[in-house]
Amino acid sequence: AQSVAQPEDQVKVAEGNPLTVKCTYSVSGNPYLFWYVQYPNRGLQFLLKYITGDNLVKGSYGFEAEFNKSQTSFHLKKPSALVSDSALYFCAVRGPSGGYQKVTFGTGTKLQVIP
Amino acid sequence: NAGVTQTPKFRVLKTGQSMTLLCAQDMNHEYMYWYRQDPGMGLRLIHYSVGEGTTAKGEVPDGYNVSRLKKQNFLLGLESAAPSQTSVYFCASSYVRTGNTDTQYFGPGTRLTVL
Repeated sequence: AQSVAQPEDQVKVAEGNPLTVKCTYSVSGNPYLFWYVQYPNRGLQFLLKYITGDNLVKGSYGFEAEFNKSQTSFHLKKPSALVSDSALYFCAVRGPSGGYQKVTFGTGTKLQVIP
Repeated sequence: NAGVTQTPKFRVLKTGQSMTLLCAQDMNHEYMYWYRQDPGMGLRLIHYSVGEGTTAKGEVPDGYNVSRLKKQNFLLGLESAAPSQTSVYFCASSYVRTGNTDTQYFGPGTRLTVL
């Protein structure tokens, strides 16, 4: 069975500092990996995804994520945090291609950027 | 494009009452999903549909029914609501490309309280 772990319930970072939100996964075969962001009282919004190719994936709002196959990780990063980045972040994984594949979401990490 | 919309935004039910949540998407997506979001548990898939007239069970289907009579609409029904169904419900949709599901687009959510 596939799974996603977001080991930190909350991450606090000062505005202007780099941020990292951690994610590790378990899946059979090559993974499809996603990051979503949820602002208060809103639905999830897609940030970025890794399907294949370069291990460093760039996404919306200056976010990027690094795929590390040996460590089965897909950490979300941003060089300089903004207060407006404060939100709930979800990592998600699904198995390789071929018909419908269930997406498994992590439990979420609350990011708080302090002015 | 409105994207994915959900009706209603909020609802309070008494135990045993029934209701239907409506999800509509105008992106011509093949796949649609219903999730519930509970604190500390991330998103859990209730039911999904891979096309008009088809539905399938997800991770937590008990107590819910769904229908996809039209491609753009996906209905979630609670026949006899229970307090354990108090949650925030999200609908999502995605398109199919070369047989694979891709990025999911989420609605704004429905906050349901069952007393």
